[in-house]
Amino acid sequence: EPEVTQTPSHQVTQMGQEVILRCVPISNHLYFYWYRQILGQKVEFLVSFYNNEISEKSEIFDDQFSVERPDGSNFTLKIRSTKLEDSAMYFCASSERSGQHYEQYFGPGTRLTVT
Amino acid sequence: AQSVTQLGSHVSVSEGALVLLRCNYSSSVPPYLFWYVQYPNQGLQLLLKYTSAATLVKGINGFEAEFKKSETSFHLTKPSAHMSDAAEYFCAVTRGSSASKIIFGSGTRLSIRP
Repeated sequence: EPEVTQTPSHQVTQMGQEVILRCVPISNHLYFYWYRQILGQKVEFLVSFYNNEISEKSEIFDDQFSVERPDGSNFTLKIRSTKLEDSAMYFCASSERSGQHYEQYFGPGTRLTVT
Repeated sequence: AQSVTQLGSHVSVSEGALVLLRCNYSSSVPPYLFWYVQYPNQGLQLLLKYTSAATLVKGINGFEAEFKKSETSFHLTKPSAHMSDAAEYFCAVTRGSSASKIIFGSGTRLSIRP
């Protein structure tokens, strides 16, 4: 069964460093998403992406964050200058289409630890 | 604005007992509701979804949920708990439109006692 994959599974970085989290969505999916889950808290939407453009973003997704689809298979989330509060589990998801009838498939997540 | 509230951050039941995880929603438009499960060190897996077709929704692993508009609830149940059901469960909602941002509840950790 096709699945969303994410690398690395765990990333440790120092405050102020740039990190890139990578995702490979399911191949025929057109919509891509990033969510994050701070330890002990709820999963929060960050951004959705379609046709090489951001469709929607939350207030969390400030200028420190960016997303890119650099090639036909990868979808990345970049944090320019990490802060301690960026420590979280980051989930990538993809869906074939947009809308409630199309399930978002989630990857296993990347645990980001900022020290 | 849409939101979901999960009652009880931790629920513990005995193996073979009824599982009941509570979720209430708030939405100004007809909601589309989901339950996701997260096993330790894994991603989020869709258990079931309500998209207005039927109020009683059956999902994977023997789980089901009933949409009750009068109570603004979407509680998750399973008649007989199994040890493998131990996980974190998230209720979630999205708008009934082309937008597909998912809004998650705070989660309920389900523990199963032997």
